[in-house]
Amino acid sequence: GAVVSQHPSRVICKSGTSVKIECRSLDFQATTMFWYRQFPKQSLMLMATSNEGSKATYEQGVEKDKFLINHASLTLSTLTVTSAHPEDSSFYICSASSGGHSYNEQFFGPGTRLTVL
Amino acid sequence: AQSVTQLDSHVSVSEGTPVLLRCNYSSSYSPSLFWYVQHPNKGLQLLLKYTSAATLVKGINGFEAEFKKSETSFHLTKPSAHMSDAAEYFCVVSAGGASDKLIFGTGTRLQVFP
Repeated sequence: GAVVSQHPSRVICKSGTSVKIECRSLDFQATTMFWYRQFPKQSLMLMATSNEGSKATYEQGVEKDKFLINHASLTLSTLTVTSAHPEDSSFYICSASSGGHSYNEQFFGPGTRLTVL
Repeated sequence: AQSVTQLDSHVSVSEGTPVLLRCNYSSSYSPSLFWYVQHPNKGLQLLLKYTSAATLVKGINGFEAEFKKSETSFHLTKPSAHMSDAAEYFCVVSAGGASDKLIFGTGTRLQVFP
């Protein structure tokens, strides 16, 4: 099946710094990538949807200036958490899809655990 | 708006016994429904999906789910649990229309005892 990687898998940073998380589709072209946030023992919450070459669409309540998303190519999307604070500590998961229909499968990365001190 | 409700946050079974993970959905149209599994430190994996074809959907690792419109349910079952089935399971509905968005349930943690 299709493989999606994320880097890094874990990151610890100081409050006020910025952190970049990469999401790559390794063996297919991802026209759409999604970024989710998962709090401990909770479900995945969609943060934003990004289409290659265009601006990301953010879900209600997600600060676009804090969570910068770039989808510059069909195999790479990045999420930058700017001026991170302890409340940003979470598990961030990306997924990638190759089509535009609701039944197209999303392939998920293994996630990145962010800890902000 | 589309939503899913997973009725149990935790399910515990003995190895070799049947598994039932319950999910109810709410949708204003015929939905696409999915079950994903999340093992620790691994990405979510699609178990199976329903997209308005056969109502009984067979997935990987012996799992299956039945779409019941009259009950708005999409329960996940497996005849015989294996230790390796212990994980978090998510029932998911598509947001619909031209969107690829997925809406996740709150998850059910399955424990399998020897």
